[in-house]
Amino acid sequence: KQEVTQIPAALSVPEGENLVLNCSFTDSAIYNLQWFRQDPGKGLTSLLLIQSSQREQTSGRLNASLDKSSGRSTLYIAASQPGDSATYLCAVSGHKFYFGSGTKLNVKP
Amino acid sequence: DTAVSQTPKYLVTQMGNDKSIKCEQNLGHDTMYWYKQDSKKFLKIMFSYNNKELIINETVPNRFSPKSPDKAHLNLHINSLELGDSAVYFCASSQLGESAYQETQYFGPGTRLLVL
Repeated sequence: KQEVTQIPAALSVPEGENLVLNCSFTDSAIYNLQWFRQDPGKGLTSLLLIQSSQREQTSGRLNASLDKSSGRSTLYIAASQPGDSATYLCAVSGHKFYFGSGTKLNVKP
Repeated sequence: DTAVSQTPKYLVTQMGNDKSIKCEQNLGHDTMYWYKQDSKKFLKIMFSYNNKELIINETVPNRFSPKSPDKAHLNLHINSLELGDSAVYFCASSQLGESAYQETQYFGPGTRLLVL
């Protein structure tokens, strides 16, 4: 059974810092990996989708990498801003869709 | 315009009641999903429909019955509500790739259900 783990569970950084969020998964037979953002009391917003054949995807200040063989993905956020404060979830898709429990990010002004 | 919408946003009800949550998407997608997010923030797939047909049905009590009148709507009906049903329920939609999860999913804002 696929297990998705995100470390750390919570992260607090000062504004302007570059940071990395980690996601690991146990079964490398995946179609893709997605990073989502969840704001308090709101739904999920898809940030980046990396197909299994890809190594990374970039969108603005966000860069996500995928190393399928080692079962790892990272989400790199450059020059963090208070508006980046949210919970970041990764999810892997194979025959099923599995979410991690998220990393709660707080960017302090 | 809201891409994926859910109603109601909040639902507080007594044990034993029957309730429905509605979901609509205007993205032209052909696949819709229901997820449950528990108190520990884990999201778990419950159901998935493609063009009104059930394609994924996880181990969910049969008190939960999804209904898809057309490909833009997927409603969730819950019978005999229990305390453990309290959670946030998310609807999502996507195009159908080679697997049900291959394409980007777009989520609704969630319905916060509290069973007393």
